[in-house]
Amino acid sequence: GENVEQHPSTLSVQEGDSAVIKCTYSDSASNYFPWYKQELGKRPQLIIDIRSNVGEKKDQRIAVTLNKTAKHFSLHITETQPEDSAVYFCAASGDTDKLIFGTGTRLQVFP
Amino acid sequence: DTAVSQTPKYLVTQMGNDKSIKCEQNLGHDTMYWYKQDSKKFLKIMFSYNNKELIINETVPNRFSPKSPDKAHLNLHINSLELGDSAVYFCASSQWGQGNEQFFGPGTRLTVL
Repeated sequence: GENVEQHPSTLSVQEGDSAVIKCTYSDSASNYFPWYKQELGKRPQLIIDIRSNVGEKKDQRIAVTLNKTAKHFSLHITETQPEDSAVYFCAASGDTDKLIFGTGTRLQVFP
Repeated sequence: DTAVSQTPKYLVTQMGNDKSIKCEQNLGHDTMYWYKQDSKKFLKIMFSYNNKELIINETVPNRFSPKSPDKAHLNLHINSLELGDSAVYFCASSQWGQGNEQFFGPGTRLTVL
């Protein structure tokens, strides 16, 4: 069945360092890959997404890369700040709007 | 001007009771979803509706029954609540079609005692 694996489960970085979160998907028909950020006690919110016809997308300090051949995609956050601390989820969907979420990465940015 | 709203925010109840959670969106979307987030933060789709029609029905006990009276509302009724139903339930909405952003509600934290 469809599956999305996400690593690491926790990530601690110093303020100003970069953070990278990686995901692997199993369904080769997947073609939409969003990333959601969930702060403590809050709702998940979309921060960036990428479609299968693009290899990389950037939005200020956040970038996402996609390798369709290897079926993996990654989130890169540069110049991390304490307010980046949250749980980050990757997800994948194919021909339907059904999103399969990864297991989440708890990012802690220490000042 | 809340986009996706849910009520109640917190729900504490005894095992065996029946309870409902309500969701409304004012974004003009035609697709709505229910997700369950357990204590380990795993986020899993339960149901989706498009224009009041059930589209996705994951392997969810039939004690869970969604109802969509119109495309702006999606409610979740749970019968005979069990301890394992304790979780945060999120409603979400999007435009129909692949690759559209899903907007989440604030969540309902259900605790079954």
